[in-house]
Amino acid sequence: QSVLTQPPSVSGAPGQRVTMSCTGSSSNIGAGYDVHWYQQLPGTAPKLLIYGDNIRPSGVPDRFSASKSGTSASLAISGLQADDEADYYCQSHDNSLGGSVFGGGTKLTAL
Amino acid sequence: EVQLVESGGGLVQPGGSLKLHCAASGFTFSDSALHWVRQASGKGLEWVGRIRSKSNNYATAYGAPVKGRFTISRDDSKNTAYLQMNTLKTEDTAVYYCARSPTDTALLTTWGQGTLVTVSS
Repeated sequence: QSVLTQPPSVSGAPGQRVTMSCTGSSSNIGAGYDVHWYQQLPGTAPKLLIYGDNIRPSGVPDRFSASKSGTSASLAISGLQADDEADYYCQSHDNSLGGSVFGGGTKLTAL
Repeated sequence: EVQLVESGGGLVQPGGSLKLHCAASGFTFSDSALHWVRQASGKGLEWVGRIRSKSNNYATAYGAPVKGRFTISRDDSKNTAYLQMNTLKTEDTAVYYCARSPTDTALLTTWGQGTLVTVSS
């Protein structure tokens, strides 16, 4: 069981907007620690997608956005494309565990 | 180009040991924290541990499943980090990634391609 909870899967038609959640607790997201999001395309290593709650690294399309409120965060993808199909992971720091924690991952399917 | 390359994975028997290497290039290695993250086949990402930079006393921290069995170290003169894994269990079977944190936080900006560790008799 992951410390951060993500839905196992989400799906959407090409062009649609999809969102996925990441729920934590008062020892991680709720404590104010940054939330980061990673995209893992099939058969590849994870890649940083969003950092510092809502900042896109250079090269990441503005179709990807994220937000945080209380003990939860969310990632939104607008104008869904077929090559957005991937696993998405949220991550933060947990002060009771003394280290980094990941969500269980959400598999995005473009219908 | 910022790059991390893991090596040292392979097949090992339960109870055995293995040492992974993470060779870095394209950035000032000594200024960054290095993390190890693993992923069992078909499963999610699991944080293994990290080592901070010299300015942060090379402090280490580990996830509960590996604490006391795994040790992270680094050699800044060789731009390389290491993951020494002892008393390996079948549940340690996974792809192991090293990742860079330039901010010495949970943020992992660059990941290696991973190396597969299989613990089996």
